[in-house]
Amino acid sequence: KNEVEQSPQNLTAQEGEFITINCSYSVGISALHWLQQHPGGGIVSLFMLSSGKKKHGRLIATINIQEKHSSLHITASHPRDSAVYICAVNQGAQKLVFGQGTRLTINP
Amino acid sequence: DGGITQSPKYLFRKEGQNVTLSCEQNLNHDAMYWYRQDPGQGLRLIYYSQIVNDFQKGDIAEGYSVSREKKESFPLTVTSAQKNPTAFYLCASSARGQFYEQYFGPGTRLTVT
Repeated sequence: KNEVEQSPQNLTAQEGEFITINCSYSVGISALHWLQQHPGGGIVSLFMLSSGKKKHGRLIATINIQEKHSSLHITASHPRDSAVYICAVNQGAQKLVFGQGTRLTINP
Repeated sequence: DGGITQSPKYLFRKEGQNVTLSCEQNLNHDAMYWYRQDPGQGLRLIYYSQIVNDFQKGDIAEGYSVSREKKESFPLTVTSAQKNPTAFYLCASSARGQFYEQYFGPGTRLTVT
């Protein structure tokens, strides 16, 4: 079993829909990250969370440390949101552990 | 503009050949990382370097080698000993002590036939 599990693995939705991507982890962590990988392969960081909730534009990330679970929400989804979304956790010093990613496709 | 460059974007090699992937950063970061990405799997750490002339093995170092002679550069060699070299390779860097805030390059897709 992977230490970081994401669901769903693939998600297709219509433009405007509310999107939720989930991340569960089984190890103790100090922080959790949400990353976005563009179709060309480049990765950018969206959020780093250690507790609570963060919002940036139409993106919202939440984390529940007790339940070892985080969610990434996208409101009013748009085709340009189509990408792979990756959850990663800090595990100890100098190490990130990555989930397998969720491929999101937003159709116009 | 500061950032990380990886070249080339696509690389093709014959089985049995060594191949070196380039990674350069101008962010003045001390730490650099190499990851491998396979379909349906999370990024896996191959090697990382926290400072010039020093590097450590990650989770899947077998069949790979690195060098860190300059702060800006961290090339990865995929040797013929790597059993399944075809993959997407990502390089990243971070400030010293801030491994949690890594900046990623655009990646190199290596195909070995």
